[in-house]
Amino acid sequence: EVQLEESGGGLVQPGGSLRLSCAASGFTFSIYWMSWVRQAPGKGLEWVANIKQDGSDRLYVDSVKGRFTISRDNAKNSLFLQMNSLRAEDTAVYYCAREMLAAAGPGFDYWGQGTLVTVSS
Amino acid sequence: SYELTQLPSVSVSPGQTASITCSGDKLGDKYACWYQQKPGQSPVLVIYQDNKRPSGIPERFSGSNSGNTATLTISGTQAMDEGDYYCQAWDSSTSVVFGGGTKLTVL
Repeated sequence: EVQLEESGGGLVQPGGSLRLSCAASGFTFSIYWMSWVRQAPGKGLEWVANIKQDGSDRLYVDSVKGRFTISRDNAKNSLFLQMNSLRAEDTAVYYCAREMLAAAGPGFDYWGQGTLVTVSS
Repeated sequence: SYELTQLPSVSVSPGQTASITCSGDKLGDKYACWYQQKPGQSPVLVIYQDNKRPSGIPERFSGSNSGNTATLTISGTQAMDEGDYYCQAWDSSTSVVFGGGTKLTVL
């Protein structure tokens, strides 16, 4: 059974840092692109970043470029999101999501339960 | 940057057909997918590659994509289908893009 379990969320002051983790199991982690998607309270979904299978390619939404870094450890089946210089507008539930294999086109076929990040003084 | 537009809300009577649309420039030239999200839960993929259903998704869910509009159709809508629905596509300028979401009410 495919499982994605996020951790590391919490309350942080503006300007602070937080590192999110996502533990993957039940599938061959190293062959999938992986993404972080967030959802601000009462708002829609927003893609944040993704990373290629071997970590050689990373893409970010403009609003987090230079502040967030996505990374992965295929040996430990883990995905990470290092978030620096956090702002109030980064407050959201952050989901770890598996991207479908290329032949299936774009889409996220598995999602974690999400971890809440609150940026407030 | 590329944008996808959805109506904020759609209402449908039980047993009727619900149509949820998603508009974007030349969206028909891209693959669209759809997610269902119920309150307090993570999104669930219900349609990918315009019209394919993942395993476990009921046959009443179908999709189409042509021109500038992708459509999610729910036939014989049930109360359990209430929730928020998001379209998503990939664009070279924006990478992953989501629509703003449509709240489906079954009443």
